[in-house]
Amino acid sequence: AQSVTQLDSHVSVSEGTPVLLRCNYSSSYSPSLFWYVQHPNKGLQLLLKYTSAATLVKGINGFEAEFKKSETSFHLTKPSAHMSDAAEYFCVVSAPNTGNQFYFGTGTSLTVIP
Amino acid sequence: NAGVTQTPKFRILKIGQSMTLQCTQDMNHNYMYWYRQDPGMGLKLIYYSVGAGITDKGEVPNGYNVSRSTTEDFPLRLELAAPSQTSVYFCASSYGGPSYEQYFGPGTRLTVT
Repeated sequence: AQSVTQLDSHVSVSEGTPVLLRCNYSSSYSPSLFWYVQHPNKGLQLLLKYTSAATLVKGINGFEAEFKKSETSFHLTKPSAHMSDAAEYFCVVSAPNTGNQFYFGTGTSLTVIP
Repeated sequence: NAGVTQTPKFRILKIGQSMTLQCTQDMNHNYMYWYRQDPGMGLKLIYYSVGAGITDKGEVPNGYNVSRSTTEDFPLRLELAAPSQTSVYFCASSYGGPSYEQYFGPGTRLTVT
């Protein structure tokens, strides 16, 4: 079975400081992993994805994530937070045996303090 | 290129009423999905389709029906609306299966009272 745990429901950082949003996953097969961002009252937008190529994945807006199989983690990072990064972030897992289904974490709300 | 569009944006239903949420994509994607998002929760898959004429249940299909007669359209039907169906509904599409990015519509906010 597949599942995703986002370890923090809310993260607050000061503008210009690093961002770390944590995600652990469970998957019986080689997973595909995604991070999506949702700004208030908007749909979801893909930040980045891992699909068994390079373990360090770079995404849009300066975000990146590292796939660590031994730790079953896929944490999202950004060196310097910007006010426009304030949003809800979702970690998502899928796998060949999930029947085309995606499993979402419960989300991490990022607040950026000026 | 509009991407994924959903109508309506907002709707209030009375208990027992029915309605159809519309979803259209113009990217010629084979895969389409319907999710619901409840407050403080991630998205839960209701139904999905891998092509015209083919649909399958997701995690939370009870109380909903879908059809896929064309590649572009994937309507979601709510029969006998219940307060538990108050949620935000998102439609998404993708070119392929589990390793492909999903493109999301802006959502429909539904309240059942």
